[in-house]
Amino acid sequence: TQLLEQSPQFLSIQEGENLTVYCNSSSVFSSLQWYRQEPGEGPVLLVTVVTGGEVKKLKRLTFQFGDARKDSSLHITAAQPGDTGLYLCAGAQTTIIQGAQKLVFGQGTRLTINP
Amino acid sequence: GAGVSQSPSNKVTEKGKDVELRCDPISGHTALYWYRQSLGQGLEFLIYFQGNSAPDKSGLPSDRFSAERTGGSVSTLTIQRTQQEDSAVYLCADSDRRGPYNGYTFGSGTRLTVV
Repeated sequence: TQLLEQSPQFLSIQEGENLTVYCNSSSVFSSLQWYRQEPGEGPVLLVTVVTGGEVKKLKRLTFQFGDARKDSSLHITAAQPGDTGLYLCAGAQTTIIQGAQKLVFGQGTRLTINP
Repeated sequence: GAGVSQSPSNKVTEKGKDVELRCDPISGHTALYWYRQSLGQGLEFLIYFQGNSAPDKSGLPSDRFSAERTGGSVSTLTIQRTQQEDSAVYLCADSDRRGPYNGYTFGSGTRLTVV
């Protein structure tokens, strides 16, 4: 059972189009992060959202954390071929280590932007 | 070093053999994590080391998997009697606090192929 469900799992669109990727859970997270991963590399942090309803913008990327802190979305405006990659959402979860948290990841959305 | 370093980058091994994967985290970062990523999928948590605390081993899939972290720095993930289903990319990450607050820094991973 996946704690974080991402949709769609695959998305292929033309350059210039807009798109939204969703990350949903039945669990509440204290914070949620989005990462982008390119082939042969580890994921790289894009953003952290902490407050319910929070919206953060990173150039053409807009990230939103749901009011109940159970879901998040990533919206890309005017997508470009350089946006191609695997996008991963991750929620912070408590661990058996006192005062510490770890990330649990969704299965990812593989995005392809065609020129 | 400036980033998280993993070695080897690729490992091909025969079924039944043991393998060791190494992770060199960023100096001074007290938190170290191992994840597994099957072909193009999301990340599966394996183990979390935090300073001198007992590690969170809740993600290790079987007793064939073990990990240690010596001197609070270098970590080794060992897989005994490898099976074909162990084939995946093994990613190491660290963070500068007791959790993902400032994000994880990932290595480039070790691609393990069991033949």
